[in-house]
Amino acid sequence: AQSVTQLDSQVPVFEEAPVELRCNYSSSVSVYLFWYVQYPNQGLQLLLKYLSGSTLVKSINGFEAEFNKSQTSFHLRKPSVHISDTAEYFCAVSDPNTGNQFYFGTGTSLTVIP
Amino acid sequence: DAGVIQSPRHEVTEMGQEVTLRCKPISGHNSLFWYRQTMMRGLELLIYFNNNVPIDDSGMPEDRFSAKMPNASFSTLKIQPSEPRDSAVYFCASSLNPRGGYTFGSGTRLTVV
Repeated sequence: AQSVTQLDSQVPVFEEAPVELRCNYSSSVSVYLFWYVQYPNQGLQLLLKYLSGSTLVKSINGFEAEFNKSQTSFHLRKPSVHISDTAEYFCAVSDPNTGNQFYFGTGTSLTVIP
Repeated sequence: DAGVIQSPRHEVTEMGQEVTLRCKPISGHNSLFWYRQTMMRGLELLIYFNNNVPIDDSGMPEDRFSAKMPNASFSTLKIQPSEPRDSAVYFCASSLNPRGGYTFGSGTRLTVV
């Protein structure tokens, strides 16, 4: 089974500063990669995903993530964060060869400080 | 589409009582997942169904937990009897295929006193 590691459980960052949330997964076989965001008292929402093709994927609210196969990483970045980005972020991986099950990381709590 | 619909949003019950959580997946999605989220354990997969059939229930904590999916548009997660340590937010999610990702419901916040 796949496993996903999010090394940073909490990341505080000042408003308008850049941020990187790290995600590593266990297998080098072909996988699909996802970032989900959970705002307080809400469910998880899909932020962006990598399926194939260009290794850099972007969301509509300024986040981007880069798939690095050799390092089995899918780090999430934003050049300038806003207060509204304060949330929990989850990295997830699915292996299309083993069915529809996803494997989630433990989450990173991003707090944007005014 | 209204998305994944869970009910109730909040549930407060006394220890020993039966609790039933409900989920309506997105129409056409053939996989359904039940998750539990707590501060201590994070997000845990309890069980998932594919085409209404339970595929993996290894995450169900004990026999007090049971889940059913009688048809493609409805699933229940039942806890009987409930205990205070079952207090958590329970999420239901559905998916069409691995490429699409999951769509999560808003969750049910369960408090057992």
